[in-house]
Amino acid sequence: SQQGEEDPQALSIQEGENATMNCSYKTSINNLQWYRQNSGRGLVHLILIRSNEREKHSGRLRVTLDTSKKSSSLLITASRAADTASYFCATDTWDTGRRALTFGSGTRLQVQP
Amino acid sequence: EPEVTQTPSHQVTQMGQEVILRCVPISNHLYFYWYRQILGQKVEFLVSFYNNEISEKSEIFDDQFSVERPDGSNFTLKIRSTKLEDSAMYFCASSELVNYGYTFGSGTRLTVV
Repeated sequence: SQQGEEDPQALSIQEGENATMNCSYKTSINNLQWYRQNSGRGLVHLILIRSNEREKHSGRLRVTLDTSKKSSSLLITASRAADTASYFCATDTWDTGRRALTFGSGTRLQVQP
Repeated sequence: EPEVTQTPSHQVTQMGQEVILRCVPISNHLYFYWYRQILGQKVEFLVSFYNNEISEKSEIFDDQFSVERPDGSNFTLKIRSTKLEDSAMYFCASSELVNYGYTFGSGTRLTVV
């Protein structure tokens, strides 16, 4: 199995509801990052949480990190139609000089107006 | 807000031809990366570049690929002899330091025919 796997694979909610996406990973990390991608477009960095942090907020986003369970969650509160996109977690790991982001397969979020 | 700029946005090339994808990272960033995303698949790491040399490369980054930072601002990815399976969206990214988020460009969609 792979580093940085999100679930669910797809999520459909109504505008105004909260959306929660989860990410699990296998190896130790230095930080975990969440990105958004609109269909066929670039990756937009949303939030970074470092391995010594447990929770972080940015606007309507809340990210948690549990390094003992090797998992993270992204909560989008009061969702809007414009939040419709794919959301990816990416683990950032470096040891002996190696550094690379490893992306999961993503969660496709559909927010119905 | 500073951006990573990629050109061209779309490139169609004949199999066996050479292509050069161009990127202008954020000026005060020190780390540069190329990633690719085959349609419907995960974002995959290709190569990282720091201090004017490759610091890490993946198994995908074989002898057909090369990177350069020719003039202190541009960062290029060259594919020497393109194959059909090189068709993908190629993303350039940069980061200021380790343990910081990445800024991705909007990508170059490469189609090999």
